[in-house]
Amino acid sequence: DAGITQSPRHKVTETGTPVTLRCHQTENHRYMYWYRQDPGHGLRLIHYSYGVKDTDKGEVSDGYSVSRSKTEDFLLTLESATSSQTSVYFCAISGLAGGGYNEQFFGPGTRLTVL
Amino acid sequence: GENVEQHPSTLSVQEGDSAVIKCTYSDSASNYFPWYKQELGKGPQLIIDIRSNVGEKKDQRIAVTLNKTAKHFSLHITETQPEDSAVYFCAALGSGGSYIPTFGRGTSLIVHP
Repeated sequence: DAGITQSPRHKVTETGTPVTLRCHQTENHRYMYWYRQDPGHGLRLIHYSYGVKDTDKGEVSDGYSVSRSKTEDFLLTLESATSSQTSVYFCAISGLAGGGYNEQFFGPGTRLTVL
Repeated sequence: GENVEQHPSTLSVQEGDSAVIKCTYSDSASNYFPWYKQELGKGPQLIIDIRSNVGEKKDQRIAVTLNKTAKHFSLHITETQPEDSAVYFCAALGSGGSYIPTFGRGTSLIVHP
C-alpha cells in the first residue's frame, strides 16, 4: 500500500461551479500526477508535479489547474466545471528515494459528475 | 513522443486457460515497462514490471516478456482464475530519463468459471 488517499471519493456538481479534488500521500514520493479515465480513452494525463510548487501540463490540461504547496498534497481544480469533465479522476505517485524510481502507484479514484 | 498500442481490447477465456496480452511501443529508448491490473471501481495496481536489460520476468502465475528488437512486450497469465478478471494496462517510459508513462488503451480480461 503506497499510502495514497483521494477526497472526495464521489462528487456531483453543477455546470459552472468550481471543484477541487485532493490527493494526499504519506510516503514522500517526489512526483505526483492527475489522470482522468474515460471509456475508450484509457488513462490520460492532466497535470503532474515534480516537486513542491513545480508542476507541468499533460495531454488534457485545458480547463484544469493544479497546486502543490507541500510534498504530500496535490490539488486538482476545475475552475468552472463542464459536463465534458464528468469522469473518474486518479491521482498517482512515483519517485521514492532509494526505491524503484519509475514505479507509479495509483489512488482509489474520485468519480465526478457534472450536471 | 512514445506511442503504445495494446491488443486485444477484450479477451475472454475459460478458467484454467492461459491469457496473453501484447503491447508494442515506438520509442526504442524506453527502458521500463510496467503492467497494471484494474478491478472494477478501483485504481490501477502495479502487478509486474520489466526493465530493458531483462528479457523475461515471472511472478507466480504471471510473466512478462520483452523483445527490444521488435519493440514489443507481453503479459502472460497461466491457469487463469475468475479473480483475474479485470482491465489490464501496459505502459512504457524512461526515454531521456522521462518518468511519465505512456499507457496502452487497456485489455478487458474475462475469465469464465
